[in-house]
Amino acid sequence: GEQVEQRPPHLSVREGDSAVITCTYTDPNSYYFFWYKQEPGASLQLLMKVFSSTEINEGQGFTVLLNKKDKRLSLNLTAAHPGDSAAYFCAVSAGTGGADRLTFGKGTQLIIQP
Amino acid sequence: ETAVFQTPNYHVTQVGNEVSFNCKQTLGHDTMYWYKQDSKKLLKIMFSYNNKQLIVNETVPRRFSPQSSDKAHLNLRIKSVEPEDSAVYLCASSPRGAFNERLFFGHGTKLSVL
Repeated sequence: GEQVEQRPPHLSVREGDSAVITCTYTDPNSYYFFWYKQEPGASLQLLMKVFSSTEINEGQGFTVLLNKKDKRLSLNLTAAHPGDSAAYFCAVSAGTGGADRLTFGKGTQLIIQP
Repeated sequence: ETAVFQTPNYHVTQVGNEVSFNCKQTLGHDTMYWYKQDSKKLLKIMFSYNNKQLIVNETVPRRFSPQSSDKAHLNLRIKSVEPEDSAVYLCASSPRGAFNERLFFGHGTKLSVL
């Protein structure tokens, strides 16, 4: 089955700096990719949903890059601010089955230092 | 804005007791899920439930069972808790349970087994 490796598990950056979180996956038939953000004590909130045909996806203060050849998904936070401190999870969905076929990465705990 | 509601927020119990957690979604979704998030924040799917069709993760111990009265409710019962059941249990829903759908999560129920 699908294996998703997320790195790094912990990341600390200064306010205003960039932060990069990367996930690699194994199933070449993966079609949908998700990034979720979990603030302390809160539920997981969707940051972005990415379809396999789109390599660059722009969000508010972040970019998601998909490299299908290398089976790599990355979340790039530009100019990090304190509100970005949270746990981030990637999730990968194969092109068959239901949402129960979603495989999550192990998460990255991001801390933004003032 | 929360649309997946979980109760209780926290529950402390002793080994061998039975516990039950509630989940309700007001989104009109057809599919609901239970995830377990361990102390390292690793997310693992336990169950998905759609139109009375239950899909069970084969690694889930038999003491866990989902209970649904209608498509808006999916409760989780643990018959005889063990110390390794200490975790946060996250309920989620999605419109139809398709592989390209995002999940909507509740805030979680934190279980501590003494």
